[in-house]
Amino acid sequence: KQEVTQIPAALSVPEGENLVLNCSFTDSAIYNLQWFRQDPGKGLTSLLLIQSSQREQTSGRLNASLDKSSGRSTLYIAASQPGDSATYLCAGPKAAGNKLTFGGGTRVLVKP
Amino acid sequence: NAGVTQTPKFQVLKTGQSMTLQCAQDMNHEYMSWYRQDPGMGLRLIHYSVGAGITDQGEVPNGYNVSRSTTEDFPLRLLSAAPSQTSVYFCASSRGNSNQPQHFGDGTRLSIL
Repeated sequence: KQEVTQIPAALSVPEGENLVLNCSFTDSAIYNLQWFRQDPGKGLTSLLLIQSSQREQTSGRLNASLDKSSGRSTLYIAASQPGDSATYLCAGPKAAGNKLTFGGGTRVLVKP
Repeated sequence: NAGVTQTPKFQVLKTGQSMTLQCAQDMNHEYMSWYRQDPGMGLRLIHYSVGAGITDQGEVPNGYNVSRSTTEDFPLRLLSAAPSQTSVYFCASSRGNSNQPQHFGDGTRLSIL
């Protein structure tokens, strides 16, 4: 069974600092890796999806990388803002399919 | 475009009662799924469907039933509610190709007394 881990569980940074969020997975045979944002009391919003054949994806201030050989993905958020405060989750299916295994999430607080 | 819509948003049940959580999507997505989110356990897959008439079990299916009679709807039924089923339930959908992002509803917060 694939395990997905996110460390740290919580992170606090001053506004303007770059955020680096880590995601590790035990099985390198993941099909893709997806990053989500979850605001308190809300559902999950998809941020970026990296296919297994890709090394990274970018959207605005967000950049996600994928290294299957080391079993790691990293989400970079440049020049953080208080509005970036949320919980960030990574997830991926083990094989071709849509059954996601989630990490526990990293709760981020960006202080003004 | 409403995306994925879940109803109700909140519900309180007594042990032994049954109920149905509704999920509808208007994106013509083939794949739909149900997850539960619990503190310390993260999100876990309950049931999923790859298309109308096809359903399968996920990681934690016991105590839940699903059906998929249409592409748009994927209801989750609690047969006899138990306190261990107190959780936040999320429905998700995506195109059949797994290289497509999954879209989530806002969740149903369920308390079983």
